[in-house]
Amino acid sequence: QLLESGGGLVQPGGSLRLSCAASGFTFTSFAMTWVRQAPGKGLEWVSSISGDGVITYYTDSVKGRFTISRDNSMNTLYLQMNSLRAEDTAIYYCVRGIFIMDVWGQGTTVTVSS
Amino acid sequence: DVVLTQSPLSLPVTLGQPASISCRSSQGLVYSDGNTNLNWFQQRPGQSPRRLIYRISNRDSGVPDRFSGSGSGTDFTLKISRVEAEDVGVYYCMQGTHWPRTFGQGTKVEIK
Repeated sequence: QLLESGGGLVQPGGSLRLSCAASGFTFTSFAMTWVRQAPGKGLEWVSSISGDGVITYYTDSVKGRFTISRDNSMNTLYLQMNSLRAEDTAIYYCVRGIFIMDVWGQGTTVTVSS
Repeated sequence: DVVLTQSPLSLPVTLGQPASISCRSSQGLVYSDGNTNLNWFQQRPGQSPRRLIYRISNRDSGVPDRFSGSGSGTDFTLKISRVEAEDVGVYYCMQGTHWPRTFGQGTKVEIK
């Protein structure tokens, strides 16, 4: 199971940190991913991280602004989002895996607006 | 970036009739381990996405056998043999081979 939290309303230029608590599987054995969905739009891959947290990947639009990380002792995945823009408004899903993404959380909503 | 083009984008279907969704990739999707990481997801209204099919044709546990995936190279298909009311939603293909990971635009399945 994956349970996201940390979403909310933030002004443009602001920051938020999303968390994803994992349970029911060996967290360190799995790479993890964040996928987002803007209102009324399709799915967009945002970022992924290896099981040991060493290797990270980002979509171009968030490079330099977002940081993915994980705490394997706490079975938790994070997404630190800085310099937020209106176009970052979306539901953010935590997903297990990077090749065949088999488990999805229920999502947490981020709204960037003044 | 790998572009996944789905068609059709809207698919009205009569209950009990078959449905087919195409997903064409701008590049081959074979990974270095020999696997082709083309996956299909279903998103019912108001719900999170759910994986239906992984690596072209492997159906997830609990997914009805009326769903099937096929294809190779750059052309892939999701088929529903007999559409039921619970199949209403948006279907996405997604490739997990190349960075960045990409999704198709989504195909909205509705009942006529």
